[in-house]
Amino acid sequence: DADVTQTPRNRITKTGKRIMLECSQTKGHDRMYWYRQDPGLGLRLIYYSFDVKDINKGEISDGYSVSRQAQAKFSLSLESAIPNQTALYFCATSDLESGGPEANYGYTFGSGTRLTVV
Amino acid sequence: AQSVTQLGSHVSVSEGALVLLRCNYSSSVPPYLFWYVQYPNQGLQLLLKYTSAATLVKGINGFEAEFKKSETSFHLTKPSAHMSDAAEYFCAVNPGSSASKIIFGSGTRLSIRP
Repeated sequence: DADVTQTPRNRITKTGKRIMLECSQTKGHDRMYWYRQDPGLGLRLIYYSFDVKDINKGEISDGYSVSRQAQAKFSLSLESAIPNQTALYFCATSDLESGGPEANYGYTFGSGTRLTVV
Repeated sequence: AQSVTQLGSHVSVSEGALVLLRCNYSSSVPPYLFWYVQYPNQGLQLLLKYTSAATLVKGINGFEAEFKKSETSFHLTKPSAHMSDAAEYFCAVNPGSSASKIIFGSGTRLSIRP
């Protein structure tokens, strides 16, 4: 099984519908993130969570909400989907090792959810 | 504010030729730097990372990158391109404080000509 699992892999939905994208991880990481990828724009941060009780907005949070149900689960919701939310969405996790030159600030990514809003 | 600039949204090289993907960063503190690769229909996979231990970093699949503080660069190279290297490559920076997040460049698509 993958370390970071996203469901669904693909989804087509209609404008105005509510949709939830789910992410679960077996890494045991405290930190989880949601990014969206658009051609030519790289990855942009939507929301992030440093632990179960900590939720923070990223650079493009408007139109999205999140829920951190457990250490291993972090869901992204589009309350009323619109066409410009059509994108590839990635969940990622990380584990901050405090101090030291070998601290790992890298992320582990899921395989992505391709969302199309029509 | 931290940022990453990748020069060239698309790079095409012949099989066996040198691969050079350019990345410049802006950071107010010594950063942690990364290169990620995304193969078609897949998520991002870590190629290599710079964490101040050594300026020349070797990664997977024969890739390496050199941190040059004076040029604020972290260019990715591979001596001989293989068809399987065709993918999108992202440079990324993390200032490394406890509350920081990774900031990604806009990506460079690498194509390999037979």
